[in-house]
Amino acid sequence: KNQVEQSPQSLIILEGKNCTLQCNYTVSPFSNLRWYKQDTGRGPVSLTIMTFSENTKSNGRYTATLDADTKQSSLHITASQLSDSASYICVVIAMNNAGNMLTFGGGTRLMVKP
Amino acid sequence: DAGITQSPRHKVTETGTPVTLRCHQTENHRYMYWYRQDPGHGLRLIHYSYGVKDTDKGEVSDGYSVSRSKTEDFLLTLESATSSQTSVYFCAISVGSNEKLFFGSGTQLSVL
Repeated sequence: KNQVEQSPQSLIILEGKNCTLQCNYTVSPFSNLRWYKQDTGRGPVSLTIMTFSENTKSNGRYTATLDADTKQSSLHITASQLSDSASYICVVIAMNNAGNMLTFGGGTRLMVKP
Repeated sequence: DAGITQSPRHKVTETGTPVTLRCHQTENHRYMYWYRQDPGHGLRLIHYSYGVKDTDKGEVSDGYSVSRSKTEDFLLTLESATSSQTSVYFCAISVGSNEKLFFGSGTQLSVL
């Protein structure tokens, strides 16, 4: 069964600090992996996509990594801001004859305190 | 938000009553999805559509039906709402070959 596990479930950090969120997956056949940010009361918004051949990709203060061998991804947030307080969701996409299948992680809830 | 609107934003209903949630898009995308989001679970797919009158079940489709009579509208119906269907419901559209999803703002449904 395809699964995506995220850790930690929740995290509190002080403004200006860095943090790293983890995503482990058992999804096959792997196509790509996305990180979404979900603000309270809103729908998720895509931050970045990682394909099989990519190891690192940055989007401003967000840097995603992918290790396809160990089936792990991380999202590193640098110099956190209060607006980074949100849930971060890892989504892994498998592609097979039936089409694309998305498996969502449970998310990491990040709180940035002043 | 890729032109996606969900209605209503909040709904409280009683067990056994029918409920219909609406998702409207303005950009003519082919693929539309309904998800539910519950504490302790990732987003779970209820139903999806790949065109007018073309729909298919997701992993948690029991108790739900959908209809898509126009490209821009995708309706989710709970024929007889149960307390287990209390959840936040998100509509999404898919853009591009890499399955980038754009989500609506969600509908908070409470079944009492």
